[in-house]
Amino acid sequence: GENVEQHPSTLSVQEGDSAVIKCTYSDSASNYFPWYKQELGKRPQLIIDIRSNVGEKKDQRIAVTLNKTAKHFSLHITETQPEDSAVYFCAASNRNTGFQKLVFGTGTRLLVSP
Amino acid sequence: DVKVTQSSRYLVKRTGEKVFLECVQDMDHENMFWYRQDPGLGLRLIYFSYDVKMKEKGDIPEGYSVSREKKERFSLILESASTSQTSMYLCASTPGDRGLFFGSGTQLSVL
Repeated sequence: GENVEQHPSTLSVQEGDSAVIKCTYSDSASNYFPWYKQELGKRPQLIIDIRSNVGEKKDQRIAVTLNKTAKHFSLHITETQPEDSAVYFCAASNRNTGFQKLVFGTGTRLLVSP
Repeated sequence: DVKVTQSSRYLVKRTGEKVFLECVQDMDHENMFWYRQDPGLGLRLIYFSYDVKMKEKGDIPEGYSVSREKKERFSLILESASTSQTSMYLCASTPGDRGLFFGSGTQLSVL
């Protein structure tokens, strides 16, 4: 089955710096890659997603890139702010087992210091 | 606004008890999921359902069962709770072409 690895497990940056979180997946049939943000004590929420027919997607300060050949995708946050501090999860789904059946990475705790 | 409601925010049970975790969504989503979240392990899928009375095992179904008698409600059942099942349980739903909408979670402690 699919396996998703996520790095780093923790990431500390200064406000205004950029942050990059990387994930690799094992199943070449995976075609959907969302990113979720979970603030302390709150539910995970979708912040951006990408499908395998697209190499990059941007939404204001966040962007996701996908390299299908290498089977990895990354989340990029520019001009980080303290409110970006949270745990971020990447995920992948295999078209053979259903678009919605996501396999999650283990999470990255991002801390943005003022 | 999509609402996924889990019946309890915190729950304390004893080993061997039968435990019911309830989840209700109000957006007529066909797909519902139960995940457990543990530090360093991320979110792991326990069971999911594509339709009423339909259920499929996720990656860690052992010790759990589910029930989906109505479209809006998806219940997770721990037949005989064990300390290893102490965890945060997250319910989620989706119409299929969008991301998952999560509930607030139930922190279950099994003593």
